[in-house]
Order: sequence, then C-alpha cells, then structure tokens
Amino acid sequence: AQSVSQHNHHVILSEAASLELGCNYSYGGTVNLFWYVQYPGQHLQLLLKYFSGDPLVKGIKGFEAEFIKSKFSFNLRKPSVQWSDTAEYFCAVRSGAAGNKLTFGGGTRVLVKP
Amino acid sequence: DGGITQSPKYLFRKEGQNVTLSCEQNLNHDAMYWYRQDPGQGLRLIYYSQIVNDFQKGDIAEGYSVSREKKESFPLTVTSAQKNPTAFYLCASSVAGVTDTQYFGPGTRLTVL
Repeated sequence: AQSVSQHNHHVILSEAASLELGCNYSYGGTVNLFWYVQYPGQHLQLLLKYFSGDPLVKGIKGFEAEFIKSKFSFNLRKPSVQWSDTAEYFCAVRSGAAGNKLTFGGGTRVLVKP
Repeated sequence: DGGITQSPKYLFRKEGQNVTLSCEQNLNHDAMYWYRQDPGQGLRLIYYSQIVNDFQKGDIAEGYSVSREKKESFPLTVTSAQKNPTAFYLCASSVAGVTDTQYFGPGTRLTVL
C-alpha cells in the first residue's frame, strides 16, 4: 500500500535557524507532491506543490522543496525561520497508481522559539 | 467571501448517537472530500465525491456515510458504528477532480462522550 513518511514528529529550533523537514513516499510512477501547513487555529493551507518540471519548487513565505525522484523524497526547506513559522507541516502525495487519491504523512510539529 | 465553511467548530455527542457534520463551499468546485485528522497520523480520507449524486469510499469509510445532493454541500454523518469517532474532521474541495489541488475548510472537532 502507498505510504508517506515524515520522519520528524517534532522539531524545535530558534529563530533564524535553518529548517529541513523530510518526506519520503513508497510508490513509483508519476506523482504529484504537496506540502501543507496548519498554523495554530487556522485552516490547512497549501505551502507549495510539484507536478512536473523543475524539481526545485518555491512556495509561499520563503519555503522551498526539492523533488528527488531517485530517493522518493520531497524535503521542505527554509533558510531562516521566524517565530510565525510555528505550525504543523504535512507532506502529501498523489499517484495515479493509487487511484489519484491524496495520501498524507503523519505531520511534523515545528516550534520556533523567539 | 469565498471559501469552505464547516459547522459547528466544536461538537459534543453521547456515545451511540449519530451526528452530521456540515460542509459547504461557494468556490464552484466539483469535487469534495472528507478527512479525519488524528495526532501523529496525518489526514486520512473518509469519503470523496467528484460530482453531484456520486461519491466513493476512501481509506477509512467504515462507520461513516455521506450524501452529495447539491454541488455546494457534502455532509458527513458519523454513525454509532464508528468505533472511535472522537477526532478532528476536515472537509476539502477541488476544481475538477482528484488530480487538482485541494483546499481545506477550518474543521470540526467532534468529541463523543
């Protein structure tokens, strides 16, 4: 069965530190990849997505992610975090081989200390 | 003001009672989805509908039912058959089907006492 793994469940870091959140998925073929963010008390929002083309994708709020097909990975990065980046981050993958349904990882809670 | 609305934000029910969660969208999206969010498990798909009067089971449909009588509305009923109904429920929609980006509502937190 398809699966999406986010290896870090909790991350704590200080403002201005760099952030990298891992995301790996288990199935091959053509995939669409997404990162969503859920700020405290707010809707789940789309941060960025990859459908095709340049594997380095830039999203909102200074986030970027790199699709590495050979590693089945789509890691999220931000060079310098702010306190307002405190949130839960979800990786999601859609594959035609899996009926085009969106499968989410377990989420990573990020706490940025001021 | 366009978007997806879910009501109520918090819902309490006694064990053994059915409860219906509301989801409405005014984005003119064809497809709508229901997810359940539990700590550490991410979001899991309960049901989805790509068009009015049609819907499909997701990964965890047991104990849930849905209807799609109108394009704007996709209510979810949590039945007494659902063994562990206490959770955060999220509704989403997308333009034309499962290949498009999904946009999410604010969620309903259901607590069964």
